[in-house]
Amino acid sequence: NAGVTQTPKFQVLKTGQSMTLQCAQDMNHEYMSWYRQDPGMGLRLIHYSVGAGITDQGEVPNGYNVSRSTTEDFPLRLLSAAPSQTSVYFCASSFSANFYQETQYFGPGTRLLVL
Amino acid sequence: GQQLNQSPQSMFIQEGEDVSMNCTSSSIFNTWLWYKQDPGEGPVLLIALYKAGELTSNGRLTAQFGITRKDSFLNISASIPSDVGIYFCAGQGAQKLVFGQGTRLTINP
Repeated sequence: NAGVTQTPKFQVLKTGQSMTLQCAQDMNHEYMSWYRQDPGMGLRLIHYSVGAGITDQGEVPNGYNVSRSTTEDFPLRLLSAAPSQTSVYFCASSFSANFYQETQYFGPGTRLLVL
Repeated sequence: GQQLNQSPQSMFIQEGEDVSMNCTSSSIFNTWLWYKQDPGEGPVLLIALYKAGELTSNGRLTAQFGITRKDSFLNISASIPSDVGIYFCAGQGAQKLVFGQGTRLTINP
């Protein structure tokens, strides 16, 4: 198993550009989520999905869109990048949202710089 | 929204020392988790706690779920260089996790 994979590893955007951060898992996990990590802020939940076709907002969803057309993939879209979206983005997955029973696995992260 | 306050924000210790960090919340959580993040990587689960008052060990790591369900602590005994990293607490809400700000651990050999 490759686990949770994220592409790209690094990206530089100009303000106003759009892009998609890719996330894929090969563990047949139903629950997938996106977090952003900023210095001194910990990890903040952007969007999450409990299964294909189902998505919901997390703590900081503004400026981001997601879709879940397959169990394996959960892309994160920035429609019009802003400097405030400069961050490290982590995708994570688990069998369910019962985090005591089911370990949540994180990808290696995507570092995004918006100029 | 729900917030977790984690302290201290950073620690500088000598190799071999014991480490203690804690996490408090204004809200009740039914599950507390502790993660470690190595530089340049994603967080990895260390310990999961489910019952109030529960004390769980994983090697040199010991974590406790507070009786009030509003706090948790993590202890690391006899620290070694590979313990360097950022430690996060997390509480489980409805279908999502809320993370603390992290404790950055630096170890002087």
